[in-house]
Amino acid sequence: GENVEQHPSTLSVQEGDSAVIKCTYSDSASNYFPWYKQELGKRPQLIIDIRSNVGEKKDQRIAVTLNKTAKHFSLHITETQPEDSAVYFCAASIGSGGGADGLTFGKGTHLIIQP
Amino acid sequence: DAGVIQSPRHEVTEMGQEVTLRCKPISGHDYLFWYRQTMMRGLELLIYFNNNVPIDDSGMPEDRFSAKMPNASFSTLKIQPSEPRDSAVYFCASSRTGGNQPQHFGDGTRLSIL
Repeated sequence: GENVEQHPSTLSVQEGDSAVIKCTYSDSASNYFPWYKQELGKRPQLIIDIRSNVGEKKDQRIAVTLNKTAKHFSLHITETQPEDSAVYFCAASIGSGGGADGLTFGKGTHLIIQP
Repeated sequence: DAGVIQSPRHEVTEMGQEVTLRCKPISGHDYLFWYRQTMMRGLELLIYFNNNVPIDDSGMPEDRFSAKMPNASFSTLKIQPSEPRDSAVYFCASSRTGGNQPQHFGDGTRLSIL
Protein backbone atom coordinates (compact mmCIF):
# COMPACT_ATOMS: atom_id res chain seq x y z
CA GLY A 1 0.00 0.00 0.00
CA GLU A 2 0.86 3.67 -0.11
CA ASN A 3 3.33 5.11 2.40
CA VAL A 4 3.69 8.85 3.01
CA GLU A 5 6.70 10.28 4.84
CA GLN A 6 6.57 13.84 6.18
CA HIS A 7 9.37 16.11 7.43
CA PRO A 8 10.09 17.83 9.69
CA SER A 9 7.96 16.70 12.62
CA THR A 10 8.35 20.12 14.26
CA LEU A 11 9.15 23.43 12.58
CA SER A 12 9.66 26.71 14.39
CA VAL A 13 9.92 29.92 12.36
CA GLN A 14 9.88 33.63 13.10
CA GLU A 15 6.72 35.50 12.28
CA GLY A 16 6.97 36.86 8.77
CA ASP A 17 9.41 34.20 7.59
CA SER A 18 8.57 31.34 5.24
CA ALA A 19 7.88 27.73 6.21
CA VAL A 20 8.39 24.65 4.04
CA ILE A 21 7.08 21.16 4.81
CA LYS A 22 8.09 18.21 2.64
CA CYS A 23 6.45 14.86 1.91
CA THR A 24 7.38 11.82 -0.12
CA TYR A 25 5.10 9.02 -1.29
CA SER A 26 5.78 5.48 -2.44
CA ASP A 27 3.01 4.54 -4.89
CA SER A 28 3.55 6.04 -8.34
CA ALA A 29 -0.18 5.56 -9.04
CA SER A 30 -1.09 8.24 -6.48
CA ASN A 31 -2.49 11.27 -8.25
CA TYR A 32 -4.10 13.49 -5.61
CA PHE A 33 -2.22 15.29 -2.85
CA PRO A 34 -4.15 17.40 -0.32
CA TRP A 35 -2.81 19.32 2.67
CA TYR A 36 -4.77 19.67 5.89
CA LYS A 37 -4.36 22.04 8.83
CA GLN A 38 -5.44 20.84 12.26
CA GLU A 39 -5.65 23.08 15.30
CA LEU A 40 -5.62 21.53 18.76
CA GLY A 41 -8.85 19.65 19.44
CA LYS A 42 -10.31 20.52 16.04
CA ARG A 43 -10.98 18.68 12.81
CA PRO A 44 -8.52 18.56 9.90
CA GLN A 45 -9.32 21.33 7.43
CA LEU A 46 -8.29 21.24 3.79
CA ILE A 47 -6.08 24.22 2.94
CA ILE A 48 -4.86 23.33 -0.55
CA ASP A 49 -4.65 20.33 -2.87
CA ILE A 50 -2.88 19.43 -6.09
CA ARG A 51 -3.48 16.81 -8.75
CA SER A 52 -0.82 14.97 -10.68
CA ASN A 53 -1.35 16.87 -13.91
CA VAL A 54 -0.20 20.09 -12.23
CA GLY A 55 3.30 20.93 -10.95
CA GLU A 56 2.45 23.89 -8.75
CA LYS A 57 -0.59 25.56 -7.24
CA LYS A 58 -0.84 28.77 -5.26
CA ASP A 59 -3.51 30.31 -3.05
CA GLN A 60 -2.50 33.62 -1.49
CA ARG A 61 0.30 32.86 1.01
CA ILE A 62 0.13 29.10 0.48
CA ALA A 63 1.64 27.13 -2.39
CA VAL A 64 2.17 23.45 -3.10
CA THR A 65 4.67 21.93 -5.51
CA LEU A 66 4.69 18.39 -6.89
CA ASN A 67 7.54 16.42 -8.45
CA LYS A 68 6.06 13.19 -9.80
CA THR A 69 9.39 11.84 -10.98
CA ALA A 70 10.91 12.10 -7.53
CA LYS A 71 7.57 11.32 -5.83
CA HIS A 72 7.65 14.26 -3.48
CA PHE A 73 5.51 17.31 -2.81
CA SER A 74 5.93 20.32 -0.58
CA LEU A 75 3.87 22.96 1.18
CA HIS A 76 5.17 26.52 1.24
CA ILE A 77 3.74 29.19 3.54
CA THR A 78 5.06 32.72 3.07
CA GLU A 79 4.80 35.70 5.43
CA THR A 80 3.84 33.44 8.32
CA GLN A 81 1.42 34.75 10.95
CA PRO A 82 0.60 33.57 14.49
CA GLU A 83 -2.65 31.99 13.26
CA ASP A 84 -0.62 29.68 11.03
CA SER A 85 0.51 27.79 14.15
CA ALA A 86 -1.05 24.30 13.92
CA VAL A 87 -0.29 20.74 12.85
CA TYR A 88 -0.14 20.28 9.08
CA PHE A 89 -0.73 16.93 7.38
CA CYS A 90 0.08 15.91 3.85
CA ALA A 91 -1.81 13.05 2.22
CA ALA A 92 -1.94 11.03 -0.98
CA SER A 93 -4.57 8.97 -2.73
CA ILE A 94 -5.26 7.13 -5.96
CA GLY A 95 -8.45 8.17 -7.69
CA SER A 96 -9.24 6.30 -10.86
CA GLY A 97 -11.73 7.56 -13.38
CA GLY A 98 -14.57 9.29 -11.64
CA GLY A 99 -13.93 7.59 -8.37
CA ALA A 100 -12.15 8.41 -5.15
CA ASP A 101 -9.99 6.62 -2.65
CA GLY A 102 -9.14 6.89 1.00
CA LEU A 103 -6.29 9.18 2.00
CA THR A 104 -2.93 7.99 3.32
CA PHE A 105 -1.62 10.65 5.67
CA GLY A 106 1.86 11.68 6.73
CA LYS A 107 2.59 11.84 10.48
CA GLY A 108 2.17 15.61 10.62
CA THR A 109 4.32 18.70 11.17
CA HIS A 110 3.82 20.89 14.21
CA LEU A 111 4.39 24.42 12.92
CA ILE A 112 5.21 27.01 15.58
CA ILE A 113 5.26 30.68 14.65
CA GLN A 114 7.48 32.64 17.03
CA PRO A 115 6.42 36.27 17.59
CA ASP B 1 -24.42 24.45 4.17
CA ALA B 2 -24.20 22.03 7.05
CA GLY B 3 -20.94 20.16 7.23
CA VAL B 4 -20.33 16.55 8.20
CA ILE B 5 -22.10 15.91 11.48
CA GLN B 6 -20.81 13.37 13.99
CA SER B 7 -22.24 12.22 17.28
CA PRO B 8 -21.50 11.93 20.08
CA ARG B 9 -18.64 14.45 20.39
CA HIS B 10 -17.27 12.64 23.42
CA GLU B 11 -17.79 9.11 24.67
CA VAL B 12 -16.41 7.56 27.81
CA THR B 13 -17.24 3.95 28.51
CA GLU B 14 -15.88 0.90 30.21
CA MET B 15 -13.98 -1.87 28.57
CA GLY B 16 -16.23 -4.55 27.11
CA GLN B 17 -19.11 -2.21 26.34
CA GLU B 18 -20.53 -1.67 22.86
CA VAL B 19 -19.80 1.71 21.31
CA THR B 20 -21.68 3.20 18.36
CA LEU B 21 -20.42 6.29 16.54
CA ARG B 22 -22.65 8.11 14.08
CA CYS B 23 -22.08 10.24 11.02
CA LYS B 24 -24.22 12.29 8.67
CA PRO B 25 -22.35 13.24 5.48
CA ILE B 26 -22.80 16.45 3.54
CA SER B 27 -25.92 16.24 1.39
CA GLY B 28 -25.08 15.22 -2.17
CA HIS B 29 -21.77 13.59 -1.27
CA ASP B 30 -21.48 10.03 -2.56
CA TYR B 31 -18.37 9.02 -0.63
CA LEU B 32 -18.09 8.54 3.11
CA PHE B 33 -14.85 7.77 4.96
CA TRP B 34 -14.08 6.74 8.54
CA TYR B 35 -10.65 7.65 9.95
CA ARG B 36 -9.05 7.14 13.35
CA GLN B 37 -6.46 9.46 14.90
CA THR B 38 -4.03 8.50 17.67
CA MET B 39 -0.71 9.92 18.79
CA MET B 40 1.09 6.69 17.93
CA ARG B 41 -0.42 5.90 14.54
CA GLY B 42 -1.56 9.31 13.32
CA LEU B 43 -4.54 9.54 10.98
CA GLU B 44 -5.45 6.22 9.40
CA LEU B 45 -8.26 5.14 7.10
CA LEU B 46 -10.58 2.50 8.51
CA ILE B 47 -13.21 2.03 5.79
CA TYR B 48 -14.97 3.95 3.07
CA PHE B 49 -18.28 3.74 1.22
CA ASN B 50 -19.45 4.79 -2.21
CA ASN B 51 -23.21 5.12 -2.72
CA ASN B 52 -23.76 3.32 0.61
CA VAL B 53 -21.65 0.30 -0.47
CA PRO B 54 -18.42 -0.51 1.42
CA ILE B 55 -15.51 -0.27 -1.03
CA ASP B 56 -12.42 -0.86 1.10
CA ASP B 57 -12.46 -2.08 4.70
CA SER B 58 -8.83 -3.22 4.82
CA GLY B 59 -8.09 -0.62 7.50
CA MET B 60 -10.61 -2.01 9.98
CA PRO B 61 -8.35 -3.28 12.75
CA GLU B 62 -10.29 -6.29 13.98
CA ASP B 63 -13.59 -8.12 13.77
CA ARG B 64 -14.66 -6.11 16.79
CA PHE B 65 -15.09 -3.17 14.41
CA SER B 66 -18.00 -2.95 11.98
CA ALA B 67 -19.44 -0.15 9.86
CA LYS B 68 -22.71 0.29 8.04
CA MET B 69 -24.32 2.85 5.78
CA PRO B 70 -28.05 2.04 5.58
CA ASN B 71 -28.82 5.15 3.51
CA ALA B 72 -27.14 8.14 1.87
CA SER B 73 -27.44 10.34 4.94
CA PHE B 74 -26.31 8.07 7.78
CA SER B 75 -23.44 5.81 8.74
CA THR B 76 -22.40 4.04 11.93
CA LEU B 77 -19.12 2.67 13.22
CA LYS B 78 -19.55 0.09 15.95
CA ILE B 79 -17.01 -1.43 18.31
CA GLN B 80 -18.06 -4.52 20.24
CA PRO B 81 -16.55 -5.32 22.65
CA SER B 82 -14.50 -2.16 23.21
CA GLU B 83 -10.93 -2.23 24.58
CA PRO B 84 -8.71 0.53 26.06
CA ARG B 85 -6.51 0.50 22.92
CA ASP B 86 -9.54 1.64 20.91
CA SER B 87 -9.31 5.03 22.61
CA ALA B 88 -8.81 7.61 19.86
CA VAL B 89 -10.52 10.39 17.95
CA TYR B 90 -12.71 8.96 15.19
CA PHE B 91 -13.38 11.21 12.21
CA CYS B 92 -15.94 10.85 9.48
CA ALA B 93 -15.38 12.61 6.13
CA SER B 94 -17.36 12.87 2.91
CA SER B 95 -16.72 13.90 -0.67
CA ARG B 96 -18.46 14.21 -4.00
CA THR B 97 -17.97 11.84 -6.94
CA GLY B 98 -15.67 13.04 -9.69
CA GLY B 99 -12.03 12.04 -9.50
CA ASN B 100 -10.47 12.90 -6.15
CA GLN B 101 -12.80 15.55 -4.84
CA PRO B 102 -11.81 17.18 -1.53
CA GLN B 103 -12.74 15.27 1.61
CA HIS B 104 -14.50 17.32 4.28
CA PHE B 105 -14.12 16.17 7.88
CA GLY B 106 -16.56 16.22 10.74
CA ASP B 107 -15.60 17.43 14.22
CA GLY B 108 -14.84 13.89 15.35
CA THR B 109 -15.79 11.71 18.30
CA ARG B 110 -13.28 11.54 21.13
CA LEU B 111 -13.58 7.99 22.50
CA SER B 112 -12.13 6.93 25.82
CA ILE B 113 -12.33 3.30 26.90
CA LEU B 114 -11.56 2.82 30.58
